[in-house]
Amino acid sequence: EAGVAQSPRYKIIEKRQSVAFWCNPISGHATLYWYQQILGQGPKLLIQFQNNGVVDDSQLPKDRFSAERLKGVDSTLKIQPAKLEDSAVYLCASSLTSTVYEQYFGPGTRLTVT
Amino acid sequence: KQEVTQIPAALSVPEGENLVLNCSFTDSAIYNLQWFRQDPGKGLTSLLLIQSSQREQTSGRLNASLDKSSGRSTLYIAASQPGDSATYLCAVRPQAAGNKLTFGGGTRVLVKP
Repeated sequence: EAGVAQSPRYKIIEKRQSVAFWCNPISGHATLYWYQQILGQGPKLLIQFQNNGVVDDSQLPKDRFSAERLKGVDSTLKIQPAKLEDSAVYLCASSLTSTVYEQYFGPGTRLTVT
Repeated sequence: KQEVTQIPAALSVPEGENLVLNCSFTDSAIYNLQWFRQDPGKGLTSLLLIQSSQREQTSGRLNASLDKSSGRSTLYIAASQPGDSATYLCAVRPQAAGNKLTFGGGTRVLVKP
């Protein structure tokens, strides 16, 4: 079974530029999560999708971050414009459903904003 | 608001020594608790998941205990090896938040040969 795929693995941009990350969850997984992990901290949930609908985006900075999962499979997370404090690893995870099923994580995208 | 704490933030032990990693959480109303391993530049790998009704879970050299009433979990790794060097994260699923995970800050472990 293929795992969660993410791209790119690394990205360096200047502040005020925009960036997009892509995630392909495990086949058949209805629930998809985006996490932000700042160096030395645990991951923080940004947004959770159930199929193509948003379940929880309470910690997503909506003035600059956006995410979509149009066909209920792949997802993209965008930052526009980026700030220095957005430097982090962005992790995507998926689970079979949203009801207390184990989450499987991708390798992450490391973003550096200069 | 659920808060998860892992102390110490970093730990260094000689090879062969047993590892004891601690995790505490403020709200005992959880579905389960999960321990993850994270290698540098990699995603998270699930190690053990303990349901709220369980006291412990074991997998090979790993044993995790859960004391929900006191808000504590401990991960034991027996006979540590250099390959166990990684960051270990614990996460809880609060009962009121569906499948949302709340993570601790992690403990970075170095096992010296």
